[in-house]
Amino acid sequence: GESVGLHLPTLSVQEGDNSIINCAYSNSASDYFIWYKQESGKGPQFIIDIRSNMDKRQGQRVTVLLNKTVKHLSLQIAATQPGDSAVYFCAEILGANNLFFGTGTRLTVIP
Amino acid sequence: SQTIHQWPATLVQPVGSPLSLECTVEGTSNPNLYWYRQAAGRGLQLLFYSVGIGQISSEVPQNLSASRPQDRQFILSSKKLLLSDSGFYLCAWSEAVGYGYTFGSGTRLTVV
Repeated sequence: GESVGLHLPTLSVQEGDNSIINCAYSNSASDYFIWYKQESGKGPQFIIDIRSNMDKRQGQRVTVLLNKTVKHLSLQIAATQPGDSAVYFCAEILGANNLFFGTGTRLTVIP
Repeated sequence: SQTIHQWPATLVQPVGSPLSLECTVEGTSNPNLYWYRQAAGRGLQLLFYSVGIGQISSEVPQNLSASRPQDRQFILSSKKLLLSDSGFYLCAWSEAVGYGYTFGSGTRLTVV
């Protein structure tokens, strides 16, 4: 099957700093990507999405960048807060009714 | 607004016992429904998806089955649980392909 992977399994940042979480995908035909945040013992929570006809999309304190040339996706979190500590997954929508997740990056915010 | 409910939150079952996890969606009609499993420290694995009542597609061979008896109800079952069935099970829904998926709160299943 297709693979969606994350470069770093863990990331620690100081409170107030910006965080960047990276993700690589393998299928150049994928046209929709989602970032999820998952806190311990809870289901994934939608953060932001982006379609392949865009390079950048901004939300509240979050920005997703898509580089189709190198099949790379990143999530930027501005002014990281303790409540941002969680595991972050990128997901790739591929074909009909399938969502491929990477294994996730654990973000730890240091007060 | 749409909401998704999944229960129970945690479950401890002996090997060989049956399983029934239920998921319901409110506030929408004819949603696409999904069951995912997440092993510890791993990503999500799609188990089943359904695009309509009685329509179930299985992604991986396994000890589990799924059913959709009503439009907004999705059930994950097993006749006899195995130790390897332990994990975190997530139900999700989407309006259609290419739209965001919304997840339930998950069920932590431990088979002992």
